[in-house]
Amino acid sequence: GAVVSQHPSWVICKSGTSVKIECRSLDFQATTMFWYRQFPKQSLMLMATSNEGSKATYEQGVEKDKFLINHASLTLSTLTVTSAHPEDSSFYICSATRQGLTSNQPQHFGDGTRLSIL
Amino acid sequence: GENVEQHPSTLSVQEGDSAVIKCTYSDSASNYFPWYKQELGKRPQLIIDIRSNVGEKKDQRIAVTLNKTAKHFSLHITETQPEDSAVYFCAASMSGGSYIPTFGRGTSLIVHP
Repeated sequence: GAVVSQHPSWVICKSGTSVKIECRSLDFQATTMFWYRQFPKQSLMLMATSNEGSKATYEQGVEKDKFLINHASLTLSTLTVTSAHPEDSSFYICSATRQGLTSNQPQHFGDGTRLSIL
Repeated sequence: GENVEQHPSTLSVQEGDSAVIKCTYSDSASNYFPWYKQELGKRPQLIIDIRSNVGEKKDQRIAVTLNKTAKHFSLHITETQPEDSAVYFCAASMSGGSYIPTFGRGTSLIVHP
């Protein structure tokens, strides 16, 4: 159980394009999902916390108009990189935790999306 | 906020040796400490976790120890195998609120056959 599906796994597109990445929890409901960015050989950098039915909470330094997050249901969160530029090229990973549990639970990660902007 | 330090950044061992990765945290309210393994180009996967009400947890060749007083926790891998080669991340979080874990910077473990 606890499977998180992330699509697409790889995107190559031209500068100025907007790219949407989907994160789905397949067999559990996730009140909260997280979006991370990871540079080569570096740690996971939290970009934002996505809460179902409310606005995402962005980390300091992350432009919310650049990285649009929508968490429309308990199983789906999307990240849209608007007007992407080469510096947005990176590995983006989502994660989700189970809903309704009172104690901390591990995160379940998607496979990640490798975004390359030409 | 919470700050998690992880050492070493790179660890190279011979197959069969033990490997130890250490993390410290700053917020005494943190009470959940998972460890994730990430192979190249793949998702991080939970390998073991520990809560603040226990001092040690073991799962086959993997063990985690927690010292709440000193605010540090460690991952121990015994009888290492080449397939253990990966990047390992520790994390710390606390109950309540939105549960936002703080990750360490990662340790690249290389097991030489």
